[in-house]
Amino acid sequence: DGGITQSPKYLFRKEGQNVTLSCEQNLNHDAMYWYRQDPGQGLRLIYYSQIVNDFQKGDIAEGYSVSREKKESFPLTVTSAQKNPTAFYLCASSPLSQWSAFFGQGTRLTVV
Amino acid sequence: GEDVEQSLFLSVREGDSSVINCTYTDSSSTYLYWYKQEPGAGLQLLTYIFSNMDMKQDQRLTVLLNKKDKHLSLRIADTQTGDSAIYFCAERSGGGADGLTFGKGTHLIIQP
Repeated sequence: DGGITQSPKYLFRKEGQNVTLSCEQNLNHDAMYWYRQDPGQGLRLIYYSQIVNDFQKGDIAEGYSVSREKKESFPLTVTSAQKNPTAFYLCASSPLSQWSAFFGQGTRLTVV
Repeated sequence: GEDVEQSLFLSVREGDSSVINCTYTDSSSTYLYWYKQEPGAGLQLLTYIFSNMDMKQDQRLTVLLNKKDKHLSLRIADTQTGDSAIYFCAERSGGGADGLTFGKGTHLIIQP
């Protein structure tokens, strides 16, 4: 079955630690995205990538980093510089020339 | 920058029609979408409409686009308890793969 897989579903992090969220897709999509969702805030774009080994900052990239070494993988690292990392993180992918984005099931990150 | 606005809550009785409204500011929006999010889950693409269309119907869903007023609506006929979710309006400008701009989501509450 084709789709986007995010792992883990729940993640707990101590303050001051970096943590990496996984996103894998087998849809052969060129573009991949990371969004952050906070209650009542909708979705905000963190980073996106249109091609392997290239990525661009979104609206709220500070405190986050990404890599795109493989087409199917786009991991997101939440660094200790992110002041308020507790949120629901959603990964998405789309073909470059197409009109829609498909989402994973999300990772809920909680800082303890 | 682009902005997408939605009301936060809508309450309807089971069996009635639900109409969720959305306004956007980017006149260059070429694609507009409706996504559904159930608790703790990712976003599911419900339907989409191109900016050169006025209406699109897909089973119980009807999308209306008023490009002049930059107003998009989603009508769900015969609303059921399974329709209870958050509905996000989103837009994409041009053909770029730089992500979607989302509204904050409308909580659809179904009354028995």
